[in-house]
Amino acid sequence: NAGVMQNPRHLVRRRGQEARLRCSPMKGHSHVYWYRQLPEEGLKFMVYLQKENIIDESGMPKERFSAEFPKEGPSILRIQQVVRGDSAAYFCASSPYGLAGRTGELFFGEGSRLTVL
Amino acid sequence: KNQVEQSPQSLIILEGKNCTLQCNYTVSPFSNLRWYKQDTGRGPVSLTIMTFSENTKSNGRYTATLDADTKQSSLHITASQLSDSASYICVVSESNTDKLIFGTGTRLQVFP
Repeated sequence: NAGVMQNPRHLVRRRGQEARLRCSPMKGHSHVYWYRQLPEEGLKFMVYLQKENIIDESGMPKERFSAEFPKEGPSILRIQQVVRGDSAAYFCASSPYGLAGRTGELFFGEGSRLTVL
Repeated sequence: KNQVEQSPQSLIILEGKNCTLQCNYTVSPFSNLRWYKQDTGRGPVSLTIMTFSENTKSNGRYTATLDADTKQSSLHITASQLSDSASYICVVSESNTDKLIFGTGTRLQVFP
């Protein structure tokens, strides 16, 4: 049973370009969470999705950032017109059921490290 | 404001020694507290999960304690190994929103 798969592991973009980060949850998991980790800082919640639904996007910047989790395929975190401040590690986590904060385990991927030049 | 504070920020110990990492939180009400280990360049991996009614939980050489009254938790590592070198992150779940509040971690380095 493969774990949470994220790709690419490393991504370099120039200012103004678009970054797409992909996350395939563990088999049987339909709940996906995205977190951002800046150097020397803790993980910050961005968005929580179920298949075809955004449940909580309170941690997402209002502009340039979007996320989806289609019926088929991986979850995508999309950052348009990237700026240097977007440079960070982006972690995806999945759980087999909702309310992971209360009830259950959260399994993390290895992260995607975005560098904006 | 719900916060999770960890100390020390970094720690260096010799292989074979014990150490204790601290976590203080202001999250209220909270439903559970977790400790994660994050190796450099990797994703966090869960070590323990404790509900508010649990005082201690062990996972091999790792033992976590929780005092819900004082809002403090500790992670004790026994007979440290080189592979224990990592960041240890305390995470508290907020009951009302089920959001996970992450501490900034303690970076542990174990030297031979």
